[in-house]
Amino acid sequence: GDSVTQMEGPVTLSEEAFLTINCTYTATGYPSLFWYVQYPGEGLQLLLKATKADDKGSNKGFEATYRKETTSFHLEKGSVQVSDSAVYFCAQYYNTDKLIFGTGTRLQVFP
Amino acid sequence: DAGVIQSPRHEVTEMGQEVTLRCKPISGHNSLFWYRQTMMRGLELLIYFNNNVPIDDSGMPEDRFSAKMPNASFSTLKIQPSEPRDSAVYFCASRRDTNQPQHFGDGTRLSIL
Repeated sequence: GDSVTQMEGPVTLSEEAFLTINCTYTATGYPSLFWYVQYPGEGLQLLLKATKADDKGSNKGFEATYRKETTSFHLEKGSVQVSDSAVYFCAQYYNTDKLIFGTGTRLQVFP
Repeated sequence: DAGVIQSPRHEVTEMGQEVTLRCKPISGHNSLFWYRQTMMRGLELLIYFNNNVPIDDSGMPEDRFSAKMPNASFSTLKIQPSEPRDSAVYFCASRRDTNQPQHFGDGTRLSIL
C-alpha cells in the first residue's frame, strides 16, 4: 500500500549547518507531497508542498523537490537556525482523502 | 483568517469519566479530521468527515470513542468511559478540498489518571 518513509532522528546540527532530511514514498500513482513542521506544544503546520514531478516546494529557506525517478521528496535547508528545532513530517496523498504521514524526524539545532 | 480552533487545550481527568474534545474548523473547509498523537504510535488518523458526514472511522480504537459533526463549523470527539491509555494529544484538522493541505489546530493534551 501507499506509504512514506523518513529517516530516523534525532538529527543534531550546529547553527548555520546544512540540513537534509530524507523522505521516500511508495504510491500507485503520482501523489501530492507535503512537509509539515511541528514546534513544541503546537499542531502541525504546512511547511511546503509539491503536486507533480520536478516541482520544487519552498518556504522559510526550506526546499524539497519532487523526484519521480527516485520516489523521493528530501527536505533541505542551507543554513539552519536554533528556531528551526522541531519535528518534521513528510506526507503524501493520491486520489484519497487521507494524508499518509511518515513517522517524523526530530531536528535539534544548537548555537 | 482564524485557524482551526480546539478546546480545551489541556484536560486532566480521572479514569472512567467522560471526556469531550471540541473543534471548530476553518470556515469554508469541507473536510475535518481527528488525529491522536503519542510517543509510541506517532500520529494516527481516528476519523474524518466530508461535508459533515463521517467517511472513515476505521481508526477509532474502540466503541468508547465517538465523533460527531452536527454542522459545518463544529465537531466533537467523545471518550466514554476514559482510560489511562487514552492519554495523548488529540488534533483536529480541516481541509478546503481534495488534494489540498490539511490545517491543524494546536491540539488538546489529554491526561487520564
